[in-house]
Amino acid sequence: EVQLVESGGGLVQPGGSLRLSCAASGFTYSNYEMNWVRQAPGKGLEWVSYISVSGTTTYYTDSVKGRFTISRDNAKNSLYLQMNSLRAEDTAVYYCARELVGATSPFDYWGQGTLVTVSS
Amino acid sequence: DIQMTQSPSSLSASVGDRITITCRTSQTISTYLNWYQQQPGKAPNLLIYAATTLHSGVPSRFSGSGSGTDFTLTISSLQPEDFASYYCQQSYTTPFTFGQGTRLEIK
Repeated sequence: EVQLVESGGGLVQPGGSLRLSCAASGFTYSNYEMNWVRQAPGKGLEWVSYISVSGTTTYYTDSVKGRFTISRDNAKNSLYLQMNSLRAEDTAVYYCARELVGATSPFDYWGQGTLVTVSS
Repeated sequence: DIQMTQSPSSLSASVGDRITITCRTSQTISTYLNWYQQQPGKAPNLLIYAATTLHSGVPSRFSGSGSGTDFTLTISSLQPEDFASYYCQQSYTTPFTFGQGTRLEIK
């Protein structure tokens, strides 16, 4: 069974840092491109970042460029999101999501999400 | 960035109804359009990808159509478990933008 389990969320002050993790199981993690998607309370979905299977190619939404870093460890079946210089508008549930192979890049499996709250 | 215009933002319907949600993109994306369902407090679930392909395990009452800039999600006969929020998403190019969502409520 495919499982994605996020961790690392919590309450952080503006300007602070947090590192999210996503533990993957039930599939060959190293074969899949991965993404982070967030959802602010009561709002819609917002794509945050993408990473290729090797980790050499990454993309970010403009609002997090230079502050967030996506990475992966294929040996540990893990995905990460390092979040620095956090702002109130980064408050959201953060989901990791797997891309379906051989298709038009839909996200076929999602984790349950981890809540990040940026507040003083 | 590709802008997504999803409508309606909310919809009231009854069990057994047929409903349609539309999604328009600001530039052509071929069929790089996906639909997700999200129940309150849960992660989204993939329903349809490549505009028309039903994801594994998704009931056949769900269907998608369209290409280029105009797309639709249709539920042919609403079931109680279908009352949720729905999002379109383009995966043609980053940023992989989502529509603002449609909240489907029981009438």
